[in-house]
Amino acid sequence: AQTVTQSQPEMSVQEAETVTLSCTYDTSESDYYLFWYKQPPSRQMILVIRQEAYKQQNATENRFSVNFQKAAKSFSLKISDSQLGDAAMYFCARNYLMEYGNKLVFGAGTILRVKS
Amino acid sequence: DVKVTQSSRYLVKRTGEKVFLECVQDMDHENMFWYRQDPGLGLRLIYFSYDVKMKEKGDIPEGYSVSREKKERFSLILESASTNQTSMYLCASSLGTGVGADTQYFGPGTRLTVL
Repeated sequence: AQTVTQSQPEMSVQEAETVTLSCTYDTSESDYYLFWYKQPPSRQMILVIRQEAYKQQNATENRFSVNFQKAAKSFSLKISDSQLGDAAMYFCARNYLMEYGNKLVFGAGTILRVKS
Repeated sequence: DVKVTQSSRYLVKRTGEKVFLECVQDMDHENMFWYRQDPGLGLRLIYFSYDVKMKEKGDIPEGYSVSREKKERFSLILESASTNQTSMYLCASSLGTGVGADTQYFGPGTRLTVL
């Protein structure tokens, strides 16, 4: 099955604190890619971070980092020093091969609220 | 910066109407995608195009068709709109290197309501 699961429909975090969003996925391949996308109220989906499964090192982009646990098929997103602008819907996704390219399969999303 | 634009932010149509959703990208990307986004379901792929006039069905193609006559433009067509097609529609594009999984860049979405 091609499934990506985000078990937290909604999360809240205080400004300047750290929050972790969870994601699990299924796979039978050893090489694949994982993504976190952010969708603010403007609806524009923005790539936050990506991880290649064959790379052991967890990806980091400024205040955003991932905890990639390959054996557990887990890919969580940590947001440090949370800011009001981080408030958005966050989607986890992984790629699956199609006949002529790659598609992304997305989780249901997690709404992140940031309190001032 | 990659720019993906969609013809409408909001659209209201009646049941049975033929609906066209247009998407344009300005970065010479090979691949273009149409997704629909529904609460609790995330984004689901409707169709994928890997070249002009070339397409591949996604996970939920029923009730939809697509057209790609020019590299930069990818249209989603609802031949006879139904109320269960009320949704947010997102277009995306990616480079199409054929190596690994390219990052997909998204448009702002079209919220379609079918009455």
